[in-house]
Amino acid sequence: ETGVTQSPTHLIKTRGQQVTLRCSSQSGHNTVSWYQQALGQGPQFIFQYYREEENGRGNFPPRFSGLQFPNYSSELNVNALELDDSALYLCASSLAAGQGGSPLHFGNGTRLTVT
Amino acid sequence: QKEVEQNSGPLSVPEGAIASLNCTYSDRGSQSFFWYRQYSGKSPELIMFIYSNGDKEDGRFTAQLNKASQYVSLLIRDSQPSDSATYLCAVNPSGGGNKLTFGTGTQLKVEL
Repeated sequence: ETGVTQSPTHLIKTRGQQVTLRCSSQSGHNTVSWYQQALGQGPQFIFQYYREEENGRGNFPPRFSGLQFPNYSSELNVNALELDDSALYLCASSLAAGQGGSPLHFGNGTRLTVT
Repeated sequence: QKEVEQNSGPLSVPEGAIASLNCTYSDRGSQSFFWYRQYSGKSPELIMFIYSNGDKEDGRFTAQLNKASQYVSLLIRDSQPSDSATYLCAVNPSGGGNKLTFGTGTQLKVEL
């Protein structure tokens, strides 16, 4: 069984640039969620995708956007990068966006540094 | 008030002891609760999840949930140096959907 994979593992960008992060979900999982984890903090929910539609969004500005593809893989795009966007970006997949909540399985993350 | 609160630690326990990690949450309608372990520089790894009041055991780990007190805990028996990590408590809020709210984590140090 293939787990959640993210690319790239590390990325350095300059303030004002745009970045795209990618995620392949675990086999059979149809829901993908993205989280941002700043140093010393817990992960913060950015948004979730289910069947290619955004299915909930956290307190993040519109310059954070995403996509989910028919194979359930996903992208996170961040425009107009700011220094505070420097963080570990985590992708998690799960079976379904149901009421009970199936456990999230995280990928290894992408470490984004904005200079 | 933070939605999910954890003592940041560090919590230091000797090898072989029981480590007790605690978490409180504010959303009374929260439905499911998760404990993740995160080693420095790595991504969170799921240890346990619990939905119902009471205890749930898995090997050396026991999760305890008390919805009336809005409290969830993780006990680690026979603590090992390899258990040294940050433990994140996560809550699936009312409405579900796996849009988890995380605490800031408790750093655990198991000393030889």
